[in-house]
Amino acid sequence: KQEVTQIPAALSVPEGENLVLNCSFTDSAIYNLQWFRQDPGKGLTSLLLIQSSQREQTSGRLNASLDKSSGRSTLYIAASQPGDSATYLCAVSGWDMRFGAGTRLTVKP
Amino acid sequence: EAQVTQNPRYLITVTGKKLTVTCSQNMNHEYMSWYRQDPGLGLRQIYYSMNVEVTDKGDVPEGYKVSRKEKRNFPLILESPSPNQTSLYFCASSLSMTESSYEQYFGPGTRLTVT
Repeated sequence: KQEVTQIPAALSVPEGENLVLNCSFTDSAIYNLQWFRQDPGKGLTSLLLIQSSQREQTSGRLNASLDKSSGRSTLYIAASQPGDSATYLCAVSGWDMRFGAGTRLTVKP
Repeated sequence: EAQVTQNPRYLITVTGKKLTVTCSQNMNHEYMSWYRQDPGLGLRQIYYSMNVEVTDKGDVPEGYKVSRKEKRNFPLILESPSPNQTSLYFCASSLSMTESSYEQYFGPGTRLTVT
């Protein structure tokens, strides 16, 4: 059974810092990995999708990498802003979709 | 606009009173699923459907039913709700679960409280 772990559970940084969120998974037989953002009490917004054959994807200040063989993905956020404050979830897709518990990010002005 | 819609968005009900949460997508997606999200437990899959008339249990199916009579709709039925089903529920859809390029789209969520 696929297990997805996200570290750290919470992170607080000053505005302008670059930061990395980590996601690890136990079964490398995946179709893709998605990073989502969730604001408190709200739905999930897809940020980046990395196909199993890809190594990374970029969107604006976000860069996600995937190392399937080691079961790891990272989400890099450059020049963080207070508006980036949210919970970030990673999810891996095999026959179903498994989520990590998320990293709660706070960016202080 | 491509979207997944859920209704109702908020619901407070009493133990044992049957309810249905509707989910609809307008993207002709084959795959649809339901999740519940609870503090400290993350998102857990309840049921999923690979296509019309094809449904299967996820991790936490007890106390829930689903049906997939049409491609666009995937209602979640709680025949006898209990307080432990108080949660935030999400419906999601994807063109396919077996293609690496297809992402999942999520509905806005339904916050259910069972007293």
